[in-house]
Amino acid sequence: QQQVKQSPQSLIVQKGGISIINCAYENTAFDYFPWYQQFPGKGPALLIAIRPDVSEKKEGRFTISFNKSAKQFSLHIMDSQPGDSATYFCAASRGHQAGTALIFGKGTTLSVSS
Amino acid sequence: GAGVSQSPSNKVTEKGKDVELRCDPISGHTALYWYRQSLGQGLEFLIYFQGNSAPDKSGLPSDRFSAERTGGSVSTLTIQRTQQEDSAVYLCASSLAWKDGTGYTFGSGTRLTVV
Repeated sequence: QQQVKQSPQSLIVQKGGISIINCAYENTAFDYFPWYQQFPGKGPALLIAIRPDVSEKKEGRFTISFNKSAKQFSLHIMDSQPGDSATYFCAASRGHQAGTALIFGKGTTLSVSS
Repeated sequence: GAGVSQSPSNKVTEKGKDVELRCDPISGHTALYWYRQSLGQGLEFLIYFQGNSAPDKSGLPSDRFSAERTGGSVSTLTIQRTQQEDSAVYLCASSLAWKDGTGYTFGSGTRLTVV
């Protein structure tokens, strides 16, 4: 059972464009939704995260939009740059409870053409 | 150290052999996680250690997989009688206690190839 579904699997965006990656979850007990960025040969690194009490969170060019009723959240990368080319993972967990681990989506490979 | 350290970075082993993968978490991080990353499969949760609590082993794919964490610090993931399907990148991460809502810090992983 895949608890976090991520789409698309791959994405090509022109420099300066908007990259949008979507995730859907099933477990209504999830209350912490982070996005991780991974470059080749490196481990994933936390990019931005949101809790369900807000509908949007913005950090620089990166924005998470959250729709609790639809059980969906998305990552928007504004003014996409070639340096943003990486694999992005959404994740979810019952973050307020001890003893739980993040459940990750399968990842989206983003290529930003210059 | 400043980050999560994993060793070896690459491991090639013959089918049927046992392997041990090591993880040194960030000093002071009480939680430690192991994930497996296979091509096109994302990050698959394996096991989670939190302080002195019993580990969450719910993600271990078979009884050939085991892990321990000694002294609340270094962790070793052991795979016995390796199979070709065990080939993957094994990632370790650590974090402060979950209630702080802090993110994981991942190591660069161990790439395991079973031939």
